[in-house]
Formats: sequence, C-alpha cells, structure tokens
Amino acid sequence: GQNIDQPTEMTATEGAIVQINCTYQTSGFNGLFWYQQHAGEAPTFLSYNVLDGLEEKGRFSSFLSRSKGYSYLLLKELQMKDSASYLCAALDSNYQLIWGAGTKLIIKP
Amino acid sequence: GAVVSQHPSRVICKSGTSVKIECRSLDFQATTMFWYRQFPKQSLMLMATSNEGSKATYEQGVEKDKFLINHASLTLSTLTVTSAHPEDSSFYICSAGMGQIASPLHFGNGTRLTVT
Repeated sequence: GQNIDQPTEMTATEGAIVQINCTYQTSGFNGLFWYQQHAGEAPTFLSYNVLDGLEEKGRFSSFLSRSKGYSYLLLKELQMKDSASYLCAALDSNYQLIWGAGTKLIIKP
Repeated sequence: GAVVSQHPSRVICKSGTSVKIECRSLDFQATTMFWYRQFPKQSLMLMATSNEGSKATYEQGVEKDKFLINHASLTLSTLTVTSAHPEDSSFYICSAGMGQIASPLHFGNGTRLTVT
C-alpha cells in the first residue's frame, strides 16, 4: 500500500531551527510537496522536490532522498507565525497525491 | 493573491437539507479540480476529482449520489451535499492545479459545514 509517515507534533523555540521529517512509500514517484496549514485554513504550497538534494527558499528549505524515500522540511529563525501544521504529500506514478497526516508545529517564545 | 475562490466559508444547515459549495479558479482555467474533506486533526481526504465537461471521479467509499459534483465550466466546480446529516459536518476544501501535471495545488479557503 501507499503510505506517508511524519511526526504528529513537534515543539520548538522562537528563533531556533526545526526539521520535520517525512518518509514515503508510493507506487512510483513523481515528486514530493510540502504545504503549510494554519488552523481552520486551507493549505498553502511551500515546496516541491523531484530531484535529490536540498532546495532553499528563504527561511524554509526542503530536502529529498529518492533512494531512501525520505524528505525533510527545515525551518530556520522560527517565528511565532510558523505555528501551523505541515503536510507532506507525494505524487505517485499516476500523479495522484498521497497525503501525510500532517505535523503540528508548536512554537514557544 | 488568491487563485482559487471558495464560497461560502461557513455554513450551518439543518439535517436533511442540501448545501452547495462553489469553487472558482481565478485568472486561470482549471480542467481538473479536486474536492477534499478534512476532519479535525486529520489529513486531507480526497473525495473526488472534478473534470470539466464530464462526470467526476469519486474515491472509494464516497457516495456520488450524496456528494454531487458539477464542473460546468473551466472556472467553476460545485459540490452539493445532499440530505446532509450531522456526520457530514467537516471542513471541505477545493483545489486546482494550474495546468502542468505536477504543478502545486492551489486551495480555496475551505468551507466549514456544520449540520445540526
């Protein structure tokens, strides 16, 4: 079966760095997305990786290892507004999105 | 700015009534739109894929006669929850890609449905 695993909840301190991991098992693979979702709102796109390596975009970076079925989202210089759920989603061979359950990130001052 | 507009954002209805949710793509034509449902503290669950000019493709376990989807134009898809029951109370979100098959999804702001 197809599966996405990510931690349920993480806590970090304002100004610090946090890494949210995601492992995936899919029938084929056409890339991995990260989305941010604030409570009661719809998800917003953060990043897309299809090749191995690190993609940096401001305070947020996303990493992919296809051979390991592994990705992470790295958030630097954490701000209180970064408190949200972070959803990992993999695109399978049929270009269907397989969603993780999301990681709730709690930022403490 | 928002590229997908969803309306209404909140709706409360009585059990047995029907509710229509609209999803519009702004500034682009969406041949395919996706309808999701999300229960509290759970991930997005794809309900159906809405294809312009043809019947929607429903995911396993989703009743097509209960959740009516119409995609009459390239910019508008609607989801009608018929004969709503309290267990249908959820957060419904539509999304659309902007053409390329692996393009990121742009989501509407979601509709919080409460059935009393």
